[in-house]
Amino acid sequence: NAGVTQTPKFRVLKTGQSMTLLCAQDMNHEYMYWYRQDPGMGLRLIHYSVGEGTTAKGEVPDGYNVSRLKKQNFLLGLESAAPSQTSVYFCASSPGEMSGYTFGSGTRLTVV
Amino acid sequence: ELKVEQNPLFLSMQEGKNYTIYCNYSTTSDRLYWYRQDPGKSLESLFVLLSNGAVKQEGRLMASLDTKARLSTLHITAAVHDLSATYFCAARINNAGNMLTFGGGTRLMVKP
Repeated sequence: NAGVTQTPKFRVLKTGQSMTLLCAQDMNHEYMYWYRQDPGMGLRLIHYSVGEGTTAKGEVPDGYNVSRLKKQNFLLGLESAAPSQTSVYFCASSPGEMSGYTFGSGTRLTVV
Repeated sequence: ELKVEQNPLFLSMQEGKNYTIYCNYSTTSDRLYWYRQDPGKSLESLFVLLSNGAVKQEGRLMASLDTKARLSTLHITAAVHDLSATYFCAARINNAGNMLTFGGGTRLMVKP
């Protein structure tokens, strides 16, 4: 029972490079989320999705794009990485409204 | 805009002592979550509090909610080293999307 799986777990990028983080869930959850975690700032919502084919902006969406072509997958893209995007990225999923989250194990991204 | 503030941000305590972590939120929210995060790990759900006066307990941890004061507390009784972790509270934003706003986290260190 995998739950929420994030790949990769670690990545180092050079400024200006692009990459995609993959989040996959096997619980048939409708809602999925991307958060970033920075020291002392808790988790901040980047983008979220309330169903296949839908996405919406969260608190800190600039510099990121997302896609949810399949219900089980939520992709987070960085088109031109910047050092300010150095962070730990967490994906989470939820069955729907009024439900708790299941978190992935995180992706540690460093942009140099 | 919902804002969530935790204090203290860092707490060092001796084993056997009691202490309380405070979580204030700025606007109405219909549920409050507490999570635990061990270093380098994902977030583990501890409690969800749904109504005014709600109290939940698990082992040495007890969480409560006062919706009128917009305050939740996480009380630690007779702390042990295994409770060392970072604790986050998160309040649900009252609109579609089941989004959570997180506090900045409280890093707890319990010394023998």
